[in-house]
Amino acid sequence: KQEVTQIPAALSVPEGENLVLNCSFTDSAIYNLQWFRQDPGKGLTSLLLIQSSQREQTSGRLNASLDKSSGRSTLYIAASQPGDSATYLCAVKGGGSEKLVFGKGTKLTVNP
Amino acid sequence: EPEVTQTPSHQVTQMGQEVILRCVPISNHLYFYWYRQILGQKVEFLVSFYNNEISEKSEIFDDQFSVERPDGSNFTLKIRSTKLEDSAMYFCASRRGGGSYEQYFGPGTRLTVT
Repeated sequence: KQEVTQIPAALSVPEGENLVLNCSFTDSAIYNLQWFRQDPGKGLTSLLLIQSSQREQTSGRLNASLDKSSGRSTLYIAASQPGDSATYLCAVKGGGSEKLVFGKGTKLTVNP
Repeated sequence: EPEVTQTPSHQVTQMGQEVILRCVPISNHLYFYWYRQILGQKVEFLVSFYNNEISEKSEIFDDQFSVERPDGSNFTLKIRSTKLEDSAMYFCASRRGGGSYEQYFGPGTRLTVT
C-alpha cells in the first residue's frame, strides 16, 4: 500500500529565503507526482505535475524534482514571499490506478 | 481560466439524513473524482468516474455512497444515512484525459453532521 510522507510538517522562514519541501513515497512504481497548494479552508490548487519519466519540472519560482528510484520528490521555492504561506501537499498516482495518494502536507509560513 | 465549482460551500445535516453534494467539472474534462479530507487528516480518495461509470473506488466508498452524472455538466455525490464521522471537506476533481493526468480540484463542500 502506497504511503506518502512529507517532512517537515511545518516550516517558518523569513521573506526572501529559498526553501525546500520534501516528499517521500514507499512504492516507487508511480505514474506521476503532483504538488498542490492548499490555503486554510480552501480547495487544492495544482502547482506542478511531474511524470515518472521526468526528473524535474519548473513553474516560475517553483521547481519540483523527482527521484523515482529512491521514492523522493522535492519542491524548491525561490525568493519566498508572504503570499506563499499555505500548506503544500504532494500526491502520487500509481500506474493502473486513478487515485491520488496524498501526504499530510507541509505548512509553510513566510514572515515579512 | 476554467475552474471546478462545487455547491454548497457548507452543508449542515442531521445524523441519518441524506445529502447530495454537487460539482460542475471543467467542461472538456472526461474523468471525475471525489476526495474527502477529515479535519487535520490527509486528503483521501473516494471514487473515480469515467464514461458514465465508476472506474475505481476506495474501501471508504461503500453502499452509503453513490455518484451520478445526471446531465452533461453536473457530477454529484450522494451520502445516504449520514453519520457523525462523515463530517469532512469533500472535494470534487476532474482531469481532461487524452494523455493529460493533472487533476484540478474544486473549492470543496464542508459537510457537518450533527
